[in-house]
Amino acid sequence: ETGVTQSPTHLIKTRGQQVTLRCSSQSGHNTVSWYQQALGQGPQFIFQYYREEENGRGNFPPRFSGLQFPNYSSELNVNALELDDSALYLCASSNPGTGSSYGYTFGSGTRLTVV
Amino acid sequence: GEDVEQSLFLSVREGDSSVINCTYTDSSSTYLYWYKQEPGAGLQLLTYIFSNMDMKQDQRLTVLLNKKDKHLSLRIADTQTGDSAIYFCASFNKFYFGSGTKLNVKP
Repeated sequence: ETGVTQSPTHLIKTRGQQVTLRCSSQSGHNTVSWYQQALGQGPQFIFQYYREEENGRGNFPPRFSGLQFPNYSSELNVNALELDDSALYLCASSNPGTGSSYGYTFGSGTRLTVV
Repeated sequence: GEDVEQSLFLSVREGDSSVINCTYTDSSSTYLYWYKQEPGAGLQLLTYIFSNMDMKQDQRLTVLLNKKDKHLSLRIADTQTGDSAIYFCASFNKFYFGSGTKLNVKP
């Protein structure tokens, strides 16, 4: 059983650019959520996708958008990057049908630096 | 809004017990979780507790839940240097994490 994999592991972008981060869910998981973790902070919920539809969103502007594909992998897109977008971006997958007691399985994250 | 709050730092000696505390405001939380994050890594699920339980023990880990006070704690028995990490409590009813408690274990 593979876990959650994210790519790339590190990324440097210039302010104003656009970025796409990718996530492959754990096998059997149909729900994926994305988090932003700034240095020294806890993860902040960006949004969640369930069966290719967004079904929850945190307090992030529309320039943060996402997609989930039929194989349940996912992308996070951020437009018009700002310096404050520099953070570790974490993807987590789960299958609510198996019960929420198992929580979410997290990937190792993508470290985004905006300069 | 909903909050999950934790103390920021805890320092213990190897072999002692560690107790990490968390308070939350969302009374509808069905499950509450503890995650561990080592430097440069993602979050590792340690344990969870269902909201109708008071206590759960899992090897060296004991989770206590006081629903009346909305207080959750994680006790690590016989703390080892490998337990040094940041520990997050989380409620997934509304996707909230605490700010994390950095546990430092001194040899």
